[in-house]
Amino acid sequence: QVQLVESGGGVVQPGRSLRLSCAASGFTFSSNGMHWVRQAPGKGLEWVAVIWYDGSKKSYADSVKGRFTISRDNSKNTLYLQMNGLRAEDTAVYYCARLRAWCLDSWGQGTLVTVSS
Amino acid sequence: DIQMTQSPSSLSASVGDRVTITCQASQDISNYLNWYQQKPGKAPKLLIYDASNLETGVPSRFSGSGSGTDFTFTISSLQPEDIATYYCQQYDNLSQLTFGGGTKVEIK
Repeated sequence: QVQLVESGGGVVQPGRSLRLSCAASGFTFSSNGMHWVRQAPGKGLEWVAVIWYDGSKKSYADSVKGRFTISRDNSKNTLYLQMNGLRAEDTAVYYCARLRAWCLDSWGQGTLVTVSS
Repeated sequence: DIQMTQSPSSLSASVGDRVTITCQASQDISNYLNWYQQKPGKAPKLLIYDASNLETGVPSRFSGSGSGTDFTFTISSLQPEDIATYYCQQYDNLSQLTFGGGTKVEIK
C-alpha cells in the first residue's frame, strides 16, 4: 500500500536552515505530483508547495516563496523540502501528500519543525 | 488567489444527527473541491473528491454536493468515531491549493 514517511524535523534557531525528506513506497513515485502541507500548532492546514511528477514545474505559497525549495529524486523515491531563513511562524507539522488528479489521496504522518531561539 | 470560506467553524451534535458543513469559494471552481477528515494527532484523510465522489473505503454516511462556488458536506447519521475536524480544499490550475478554515465536529 501507499506509504509516505517524513523525516528531518526538529528544533532550529530563527534564520537557520532545515531539509525535510519524504520517503515514498507502494506506488510509482515518478508518476505523481507531490505536495507539502503544514499545520501550525492548534491551527488549520496550510498548503506549502507542489512539484510536478517529473520535477518540471514547482509552485509555492506566498508565505514561503523565496525561502523554501521543493525538489524530488525519482531514482530514490524521495521528496524534499529545503527550508532556509526559518521564522517562528514556520513552526508546524509538515506533511507530504500524494497528488491524484485534483486531490491529495495519501498523506504521511508528519514531521514537526520548531523554530525557536 | 481563490479564498475558501468554510462554516461553521465548530458544531456540536448528537449521535445519529445529520450534520452539514458548507464551503464557499470566492470564484467559480467547477467541481474541483475535496473534503478531508483530520482526527487529533493524525494526518488528514481524503473523504470526498471532485465535490461528490466518495473515496474508496469511506462509509456511505459521508457525502458531498455542489459546484461552482457553493459546496456542502454531509454526515447523514453522526457516529462517535466521526469526531474530527473537517476541511474543504480547492485546487486552482494545478498550481495553487487552498484549504478552508476547518470545522471541528463534537458530540453533544
